[in-house]
Amino acid sequence: DAGVTQSPTHLIKTRGQQVTLRCSPKSGHDTVSWYQQALGQGPQFIFQYYEEEERQRGNFPDRFSGHQFPNYSSELNVNALLLGDSALYLCASSLPIQGNTIYFGEGSWLTVV
Amino acid sequence: AQSVAQPEDQVNVAEGNPLTVKCTYSVSGNPYLFWYVQYPNRGLQFLLKYITGDNLVKGSYGFEAEFNKSQTSFHLKKPSALVSDSALYFCAVRDLNRGSTLGRLYFGRGTQLTVWP
Repeated sequence: DAGVTQSPTHLIKTRGQQVTLRCSPKSGHDTVSWYQQALGQGPQFIFQYYEEEERQRGNFPDRFSGHQFPNYSSELNVNALLLGDSALYLCASSLPIQGNTIYFGEGSWLTVV
Repeated sequence: AQSVAQPEDQVNVAEGNPLTVKCTYSVSGNPYLFWYVQYPNRGLQFLLKYITGDNLVKGSYGFEAEFNKSQTSFHLKKPSALVSDSALYFCAVRDLNRGSTLGRLYFGRGTQLTVWP
């Protein structure tokens, strides 16, 4: 049973560029969330997708956008990258059931130079 | 608003001794509480959760957590620490949308646990 998988593992981008991160949820899961973890901090919620729609959004600017595909996989896009966007980006998946466990992937390390 | 506090940035304990990593929470309604562990340069691994029922929750790798509603705490414990338990531990509370089963996690800042031989 595959867990949450993310790609790429590491990437380096230049300020102003755009980046796309990808996530495949755990088998059977249809809800995907994205979190940003800056160095020395706890993960911060970016947004959540269910039924191919953004259902919730955290306090992140519109430069952060996403998409969910019919197979439940998801992408996180960040435009006009800033140095402060350097972080570990974590994808999480779950079922929309009360009390269900949320599982995380290994993350994508983004460095903006 | 939902929030989690982990009052200790670091916890140091000798191998074989019991360990406790503290967490307090603030949430409207019934809390859904979680503990995750993060090893260096890795993602988050689920340890255990409290939804309802018994206040003592048992999880992976011998960890357990005690839910205390009056003190709004959910401390992580292990009777006998191992060097391999050294990692970053996060407490989180889940916020459910009103009338929905979708929810997000609010994390604490994390506690670095170091177990020395």
